[in-house]
Amino acid sequence: GAGVSQSPSNKVTEKGKDVELRCDPISGHTALYWYRQRLGQGLEFLIYFQGNSAPDKSGLPSDRFSAERTGESVSTLTIQRTQQEDSAVYLCASSRSGEETQYFGPGTRLLVL
Amino acid sequence: GQNIDQPTEMTATEGAIVQINCTYQTSGFNGLFWYQQHAGEAPTFLSYNVLDGLEEKGRFSSFLSRSKGYSYLLLKELQMKDSASYLCAVRSSFSGGYNKLIFGAGTRLAVHP
Repeated sequence: GAGVSQSPSNKVTEKGKDVELRCDPISGHTALYWYRQRLGQGLEFLIYFQGNSAPDKSGLPSDRFSAERTGESVSTLTIQRTQQEDSAVYLCASSRSGEETQYFGPGTRLLVL
Repeated sequence: GQNIDQPTEMTATEGAIVQINCTYQTSGFNGLFWYQQHAGEAPTFLSYNVLDGLEEKGRFSSFLSRSKGYSYLLLKELQMKDSASYLCAVRSSFSGGYNKLIFGAGTRLAVHP
């Protein structure tokens, strides 16, 4: 079956512009996660959605970052007024409720010039 | 706080055995994961340990000692395709019943002929 998909695969933007990243989880997966991975580093948790519960936003680095999810489907991560330090790969993952394994999408490579 | 440590880089010879260690300090421990990540690709799930002991899955095994805050990933009969980063991640439960993964920085393994 289809895995987690993300778009765009690559995004180059200018400092100060807003960007929107999209994630389509695996169908039937109620949990959705966003992570950031800077070059040569591990994954940094950003935000977690579980069904209709309030999302865990504890990993968002600043108020320029926000994310939304429509029901148990697509999610968008928005970065406002991008900074060069936002350059990274943004990874989305999803999992079934009660299942431990997270399945990752291919990521969006963001470069802020 | 939360802290996960693993070696930055390791090298090994094709056909050999390599052990990648991970130590962690976290509140509300609720399981440890190992993921494999090839350069430029998304992480893929390798193993999950929540109880002490060894979990074997083909050429890969993972060990956990909760009292010591320690895990290792053992790779046997190394192949060139095993050259990748190996990410140790701890699931931490906290108020609200949510769980999130805290990732280490990853260990880059290079397998040589």
